Amino acid sequence: KNEVEQSPQNLTAQEGEFITINCSYSVGISALHWLQQHPGGGIVSLFMLSSGKKKHGRLIATINIQEKHSSLHITASHPRDSAVYICAVRSWNYGGSQGNLIFGKGTKLSVKP
Amino acid sequence: DAMVIQNPRYQVTQFGKPVTLSCSQTLNHNVMYWYQQKSSQAPKLLFHYYDKDFNNEADTPDNFQSRRPNTSFCFLDIRSPGLGDAAMYLCATSRQTGQLSTDTQYFGPGTRLTVL
Repeated sequence: KNEVEQSPQNLTAQEGEFITINCSYSVGISALHWLQQHPGGGIVSLFMLSSGKKKHGRLIATINIQEKHSSLHITASHPRDSAVYICAVRSWNYGGSQGNLIFGKGTKLSVKP
Repeated sequence: DAMVIQNPRYQVTQFGKPVTLSCSQTLNHNVMYWYQQKSSQAPKLLFHYYDKDFNNEADTPDNFQSRRPNTSFCFLDIRSPGLGDAAMYLCATSRQTGQLSTDTQYFGPGTRLTVL
């Protein structure tokens, strides 16, 4: 079982829909990242969370430390939001490498016009 | 405005021919990372530098080496690329201010390596 699980793996939505991507993790963490990767492109960091909720434009990220769960929401989705969204956690007791990220496998989002 | 720069963006090499990928940053971050990402997979950490201290992941093949001549630059050397090394190579940086505090990671655009 992976330490970081994302769902769904693939998501297709119509433009304007409200989108939720979920991330569950099984290790103790100091922070959780949501990352965005466009096809063939590099990775952009969207949020880093250690508690509560953050909002940036149409993106909202929440985390529940007790439940070891985070969600990324996209309001009023647009075709340009089509990308792979990756959840990654920073755990201090993983593999002996302090502060390194454990990545989920990503959620591939496709928003149709 | 570019913060983490990777060159080249696309690299084609022949089986067994050494190749070097470069990463530079304008953020003055003390930690630099190299990741390998194969198609439809999550990035896999190869190694990272904390200042000048090199930290190799246990399962990183010896074929992969790295150099960090100064704060701004970090290189990934693949001594004898195999077909299985074809991947996107991502460089990232972060600022670690104490034992327990690490800032968010900033990723470069990646270098896509093709091995013929």
